[in-house]
Amino acid sequence: RKEVEQDPGPFNVPEGATVAFNCTYSNSASQSFFWYRQDCRKEPKLLMSVYSSGNEDGRFTAQLNRASQYISLLIRDSKLSDSATYLCVVMDSNYQLIWGAGTKLIIKP
Amino acid sequence: GAVVSQHPSWVICKSGTSVKIECRSLDFQATTMFWYRQFPKQSLMLMATSNEGSKATYEQGVEKDKFLINHASLTLSTLTVTSAHPEDSSFYICSARIRDYSYNEQFFGPGTRLTVL
Repeated sequence: RKEVEQDPGPFNVPEGATVAFNCTYSNSASQSFFWYRQDCRKEPKLLMSVYSSGNEDGRFTAQLNRASQYISLLIRDSKLSDSATYLCVVMDSNYQLIWGAGTKLIIKP
Repeated sequence: GAVVSQHPSWVICKSGTSVKIECRSLDFQATTMFWYRQFPKQSLMLMATSNEGSKATYEQGVEKDKFLINHASLTLSTLTVTSAHPEDSSFYICSARIRDYSYNEQFFGPGTRLTVL
């Protein structure tokens, strides 16, 4: 079983729609959680950290469920520029980042 | 913001040659740098953790004699792929953790795309 699992997609979503991704992790001792965005052939960029109480940044909302060991990302009013691969990342107790394979999102006009 | 550069951004080489990739932190000191590899449609895989002035710590399955890492200063780490083979073709990304800064934030270089013919 992979340490961090994501649905690879692609998710094809019309512009303006709301889309949600989930990610599950296997290590219950994981400390911190992040969503990164990666454009094709580019390095990943931090989108947002995920806090236990849930957090929002503009159109993006992240949630963490420690009991079920999953993380979610919600994107509202999706834009064409949101098209990318979204990587779920978990930091383990050794401060090492464990990466999911990513969920590909395609926003269509 | 913290900027990390990588050079070269892409390289094509013949099988059997060695390739050196540089990772630089441009406006901060990085006590720790990380080297990742990413194959198409796969997750980033940590290859090694490099601390300035000490030997790199390699992840299981990564050959230290094939992937030579040098972290000679607080702003530069290099990865040398020795005797590269086509299966080494990948996207290599470095990241840096800022000295005396939040331990859980890494800043990524733009990556180096290696193609071995």
